[in-house]
Amino acid sequence: DIQMTQSPSTLSASVGDRVTITCRASQSIGSWLAWYQQKPGKAPKFLIHKASILETGVPSRFSGSGSGTEFTLTISSLQPDDFATYYCQQYNTWTFGQGTKVEIK
Amino acid sequence: QVQLVQSGAEVKKPGASVRVSCKASGYTFTGYYIHWVRQAPGQGLEWMGWISPNTGGTNYAQKFQGRVTMTSDMSISTAYMELSRLRSDDTAVYYCARDPSDTGVYGFDYWGQGTLVTVSS
Repeated sequence: DIQMTQSPSTLSASVGDRVTITCRASQSIGSWLAWYQQKPGKAPKFLIHKASILETGVPSRFSGSGSGTEFTLTISSLQPDDFATYYCQQYNTWTFGQGTKVEIK
Repeated sequence: QVQLVQSGAEVKKPGASVRVSCKASGYTFTGYYIHWVRQAPGQGLEWMGWISPNTGGTNYAQKFQGRVTMTSDMSISTAYMELSRLRSDDTAVYYCARDPSDTGVYGFDYWGQGTLVTVSS
């Protein structure tokens, strides 16, 4: 099974900060990676697919990069609405990373 | 607009079974796979499997093989997930999600609101 490992598990940041979350796959997955945002009590929201393609309506401050085994999600200037938990997902066998909680510093 | 509406919360005893429904609207139901994902309290997302509403074909995560059954009813645009031999660690919110991969988008673009299943004696 392909394992997905995110780091850090928790990230403390302030509004306006540039934030980067890393996701590593236990074997190469090409660009078959998606990112989601989840807020407490809500279903996940689809942000990015194929590692770097933003879903329609997702603000341009979000970006994704990487291929093979290492991927990043970057928020260029953190906004109040961005405090949430973020998950990566590999699209070969659909497993998720364990999540990264972005909290207010 | 695309919507996935799930059935309400359930409380079950250990050893029982639960069936969660996911009613789709706003799109052609048979054109998209439906995945099921669960989330235990305070934990991350766990993929359980998918069903093709068009063919009835399924693919289950190894962890749930033998305990999960995913079905669909095209006539009412509804997918179902049944989990049997419930244990306390099956307590979780269960989500259905649409997979638009046949359109070239790889991920789960629409999600149901979630169904809390509580397993307790």
